[in-house]
Amino acid sequence: AQSVTQLGSHVSVSEGALVLLRCNYSSSVPPYLFWYVQYPNQGLQLLLKYTSAATLVKGINGFEAEFKKSETSFHLTKPSAHMSDAAEYFCAVSDRGSNYKLTFGKGTLLTVNP
Amino acid sequence: SQTIHQWPATLVQPVGSPLSLECTVEGTSNPNLYWYRQAAGRGLQLLFYSVGIGQISSEVPQNLSASRPQDRQFILSSKKLLLSDSGFYLCAWSVKVAGGEQYFGPGTRLTVT
Repeated sequence: AQSVTQLGSHVSVSEGALVLLRCNYSSSVPPYLFWYVQYPNQGLQLLLKYTSAATLVKGINGFEAEFKKSETSFHLTKPSAHMSDAAEYFCAVSDRGSNYKLTFGKGTLLTVNP
Repeated sequence: SQTIHQWPATLVQPVGSPLSLECTVEGTSNPNLYWYRQAAGRGLQLLFYSVGIGQISSEVPQNLSASRPQDRQFILSSKKLLLSDSGFYLCAWSVKVAGGEQYFGPGTRLTVT
């Protein structure tokens, strides 16, 4: 079964600093990969997804993620953090030939310090 | 455009009472529908998913059940709530394509007392 590992349950950065949130998946075949963001007491919002068209995927709010098959990774980055980026971020994976289910990581809480 | 609704937004129920949470989707037809539970510090747990009316797949044996009486309506129920049923319940939908992203509702905060 697919699994997703998010390294670091809590990441803290200063406003204006680089944001790097790590995600590794376990699959011998590159899956579909997603990043979602969740603000307090709200549902999840899709940031971006990888479906194999390009290894560097650009999403909303200035975020992007790079698929690296050799490292089985899909890390999320943003060059300059903003206070409004403070939220919880989830990486998710779906098998190719999917039964439509997503497997989520446990999430990374991002705090942004002024 | 598509929208997804959940109600109620918050709910406080005593142990042993019944539960009914509702989710409806607008602006699409024949979606896949999903129920997740989110407990503090434990990520998202898929509870049920449905690919069509009356078709429910259960992911985790538990005190809950789901039904899909209409194409765009998904209901989560329990006959008798347990303390461990407390959490944040999220409904989601997706189109029927491999790799299709899921779109989430605003969630229901359930506290069982």
